[in-house]
Amino acid sequence: QVQLQESGPGLVKPSETLSLTCNVSGYSLTSGYYWGWIRQSPGKGLEWIASINHGGYTDYNMSLKSRLTLSVDTSKSQFSLKLSSVTAADTAIYYCARGLGTNVRLFDFWGQGTLVTVSS
Amino acid sequence: EIVLTQSPGTLSLSPGERATLSCRASRSITYNYLAWYQQKPGQAPRLLIYGSSTRATGIPDRFSGSGSGTDFALTISRLEPEDCALYYCQTYGFPPGTFGQGTKVEIK
Repeated sequence: QVQLQESGPGLVKPSETLSLTCNVSGYSLTSGYYWGWIRQSPGKGLEWIASINHGGYTDYNMSLKSRLTLSVDTSKSQFSLKLSSVTAADTAIYYCARGLGTNVRLFDFWGQGTLVTVSS
Repeated sequence: EIVLTQSPGTLSLSPGERATLSCRASRSITYNYLAWYQQKPGQAPRLLIYGSSTRATGIPDRFSGSGSGTDFALTISRLEPEDCALYYCQTYGFPPGTFGQGTKVEIK
């Protein structure tokens, strides 16, 4: 059974960079699939952020692309998200998830989510 | 960008009743790339339906999806107490993979 676990700071200052890592167990990242990030806030609801595959191919929500960096480390069985120049609007629960089949933006296994608050 | 509008905002029904949730798209969704998720408080969303009508692995057959083009529906044939949750639709074929705003299902 695939399990995903997000980790990272729960508090980030405005204008700084939010960094999150998703650790994957029960499945090898080299075996395929896309791995994605989704966030949820009271104001914007659920929002797909970006996805990456084991080869490093990425797909981004264009509204966030200029601030995003995604990476994957198959040796550590993890993938990561960096979101720069954060504001209060980036406060949300951030989820990592596995894409279903070859889908980039459809997710069948999710982490429990981690709350990130942007505040000074 | 496709906008998804879900209705009603809240559905309050008794156990054993049938629930029908609607998801309307601002323009036609290619290949019926429409999914439904269930989310309970404090939990991540759970994939129920994809491709408009295909149940995800392990999803009970009381959950069914239908629709095409711009009008889609999720039906729960016989409500059980554990179906109390928020339900979201999502179009996933193209960026930005928009989600609807959700329908809350309450069990009387």
